[in-house]
Formats: sequence, structure tokens, C-alpha cells
Amino acid sequence: SQQGEEDPQALSIQEGENATMNCSYKTSINNLQWYRQNSGRGLVHLILIRSNEREKHSGRLRVTLDTSKKSSSLLITASRAADTASYFCATDATGGGADGLTFGKGTHLIIQP
Amino acid sequence: GAVVSQHPSWVICKSGTSVKIECRSLDFQATTMFWYRQFPKQSLMLMATSNEGSKATYEQGVEKDKFLINHASLTLSTLTVTSAHPEDSSFYICSAWRGGYTFGSGTRLTVV
Repeated sequence: SQQGEEDPQALSIQEGENATMNCSYKTSINNLQWYRQNSGRGLVHLILIRSNEREKHSGRLRVTLDTSKKSSSLLITASRAADTASYFCATDATGGGADGLTFGKGTHLIIQP
Repeated sequence: GAVVSQHPSWVICKSGTSVKIECRSLDFQATTMFWYRQFPKQSLMLMATSNEGSKATYEQGVEKDKFLINHASLTLSTLTVTSAHPEDSSFYICSAWRGGYTFGSGTRLTVV
């Protein structure tokens, strides 16, 4: 069942600006992951943050996790036109590969040149 | 790295026919694979968990007789959409676990 909620559902910003997307979930997790999906295409794994981590960086990406609030945020700095895509958070309850991932509703990000 | 191959990437079929989608783990064995469905402008919803050598586990609301899953080997799971109808038109994507989830590239199904 789907448990994640992302906001905003859509975000349009100018190239060079930072984009922040938020994700909330309902049950306990082992880790939370962020994925990107270009229109009609497959998923690209961006970053994974474990439940005992609070912040993680990867290039222009910064992810935070607040397990007390059951929320996460994805920050993309210095956005580029190529960052235009849909972004999904996905929670992994057990971390052992037995249960699959539960995806949030996603944020559609548009970077205007 | 782990690679999951999914075929076909897109398919158009007539209403009432059946369509088979394959998901292969190319360089690793996957005892468990997962099938997701994504309607336009929506998120991915887990349909079922495919277990090698045993019956698939379906999520609530997913019709077992309509979405047949076979996981006959450690590297192949298939999803067959039986008696397809236009409302089954969707993007279907599989994933397999190997220390992390690896996704196939998805199959765009259009039923006309």
C-alpha cells in the first residue's frame, strides 16, 4: 500500500535555483530512498539514507531524514534543465529485500531555462 | 553492478488478449522479484512479490487471476496480463533484490 506523501506535487523553478521536495511516511522504516523518473521512463536511484542517519550528500543532492517526524527532504542545488523529472521517495521497511518498496506520490519538478 | 532486463519496453495489444512481460536478472540470482504498476501521472504501486519456486504474493486489490506471475527460475519472472482491457493500460516495472533494489526499464502497455 502506498504510504508516502510528497509535497509539493509539482514544482517549477528557474535554472540555477535550489529545489526542495519533502516526503512523509507512516510506518517505521529501515531506510528511505529517492528516485528520479524522466517522463515515461524507468527509475534512476539517487540516494539512500538509513534510519540511523540524519543527513546525506551526493553531489548536488542533499537528503535529510527525521524519523521522529517520519519525514525526509531532498534538496537539489544549482538546478539544471536536465533535472526536470518526477522525483519519488520510497521507503524500505525491513532493508532485507523481502518486502519491496513503498513509493510516495512524487513531485514533478520543472526547471525553466 | 546488478542489471535487470525487462522486455518488451512497450506493447500494444487488442482488448481481450493476453500479454506477457519478462523480467530477468542478468548477472545475479534473484529469489524474489517485485512487480509494480504506474498509471499516468501517478506513483508506483506494488502489485505482487514474485517468489522463485512458489506462488506469488499479491497486494490487496490486485486480481491474481488477471495478473499471472511465474518465477520458474532464479533469473526470470514473468507477468502475464490476461484478457487485457483498456483500463489495464499502464507502465509495469519489475525489480529484484541484490543488496539493494534494481529496477528494470519498464514496459508501457497500451490496450486498444
